Amino acid sequence: DAGVTQSPTHLIKTRGQQVTLRCSPKSGHDTVSWYQQALGQGPQFIFQYYEEEERQRGNFPDRFSGHQFPNYSSELNVNALLLGDSALYLCASSLELQDNTEAFFGQGTRLTVV
Amino acid sequence: GENVEQHPSTLSVQEGDSAVIKCTYSDSASNYFPWYKQELGKRPQLIIDIRSNVGEKKDQRIAVTLNKTAKHFSLHITETQPEDSAVYFCAASNWEYGNKLVFGAGTILRVKS
Repeated sequence: DAGVTQSPTHLIKTRGQQVTLRCSPKSGHDTVSWYQQALGQGPQFIFQYYEEEERQRGNFPDRFSGHQFPNYSSELNVNALLLGDSALYLCASSLELQDNTEAFFGQGTRLTVV
Repeated sequence: GENVEQHPSTLSVQEGDSAVIKCTYSDSASNYFPWYKQELGKRPQLIIDIRSNVGEKKDQRIAVTLNKTAKHFSLHITETQPEDSAVYFCAASNWEYGNKLVFGAGTILRVKS
């Protein structure tokens, strides 16, 4: 079991550019959540995808968008990058089952905006 | 919305001593409280969790306690070892509504040998 995998691991972009990050959930998982972790901070919830729909969204601007594919993998897109978007972006997957709670995290994508 | 506060921000203990990290949450609807350990450059890993219908849970040297009335929960690590050194995050969520995790700011734990 490969667990949650994210690509790329590191990325450098210029202000104003657009970026796409990718996540493959743990085998058997159908729900994907994205988090932004600034240096020295706890992860902040961006949004969650289930059944190819955005189910919940955190306090992030519309520049942050996502997608979930039929195989449950997901993408996070960020447009018009700002210096403040520099962070570790974490993907977490889980299984939508009653009483199921555990979220498994990927190793993250380190995004640097210059 | 939900807010989670975590204390202390840094904690240094001698090997073999105990470490306690405390968190408070604001949303009384929260019913799931996980703790994650994150080593430098690595992914957060779940080390223990507790649901709102339980007051205490233990797994070897790690335990978590929950006080729903006061809306706070704590992580206890006994007999600390150097490999326990890491950043620890508490989180709160309502698992009935998609399990969106709200994290505390983290505690840097240093175990000195």
